[in-house]
Amino acid sequence: SQQGEEDPQALSIQEGENATMNCSYKTSINNLQWYRQNSGRGLVHLILIRSNEREKHSGRLRVTLDTSKKSSSLLITASRAADTASYFCATDAGLTGGGNKLTFGTGTQLKVEL
Amino acid sequence: DGGITQSPKYLFRKEGQNVTLSCEQNLNHDAMYWYRQDPGQGLRLIYYSQIVNDFQKGDIAEGYSVSREKKESFPLTVTSAQKNPTAFYLCASSINPHRAEAFFGQGTRLTVV
Repeated sequence: SQQGEEDPQALSIQEGENATMNCSYKTSINNLQWYRQNSGRGLVHLILIRSNEREKHSGRLRVTLDTSKKSSSLLITASRAADTASYFCATDAGLTGGGNKLTFGTGTQLKVEL
Repeated sequence: DGGITQSPKYLFRKEGQNVTLSCEQNLNHDAMYWYRQDPGQGLRLIYYSQIVNDFQKGDIAEGYSVSREKKESFPLTVTSAQKNPTAFYLCASSINPHRAEAFFGQGTRLTVV
């Protein structure tokens, strides 16, 4: 079952604008992660935010987490054409005995136009 | 270079055949995972392994099998029991048990012909 649902499904913006993607999930989590996927390629980890954190920054990325609303947002500032990709949120609820099991959402397709 | 390697990149299978997808990592990670991705959908977990000689079913394990005889290797067999195997398959690994970040291979696109 899909834990996370991203919104919007697709987003098209002009280079230099900011892009905001949202993710909602259903159950309690240890952390939430955002990944990027270029077409036909594997996923690349972008950023991880723990359940006791509310906001985190990494370069042009800003992630927020609201555990009371079970939602997260990813903001990409000053977007570039190279940011064109699909972005997925993944929730980690942990596994008995250790380790992690990531559950992915359906993704947001971002297109940044020149 | 450290990383996770999937092969082949493209694979064609006739109906009724079993095929095996390779996944190798040299990151010294304990945990390895197989995901399936269909167009317009997110990733769904097929199998995962937290340690050598141990693996667990994920959300959509029917029609698939795995082995974990070596820490570096986690091959996935798509059997003839999988009724709709055409998909993009992604292998991932992570340090166990406290590091949650997953590293992904480049994927194998399986097509049934």
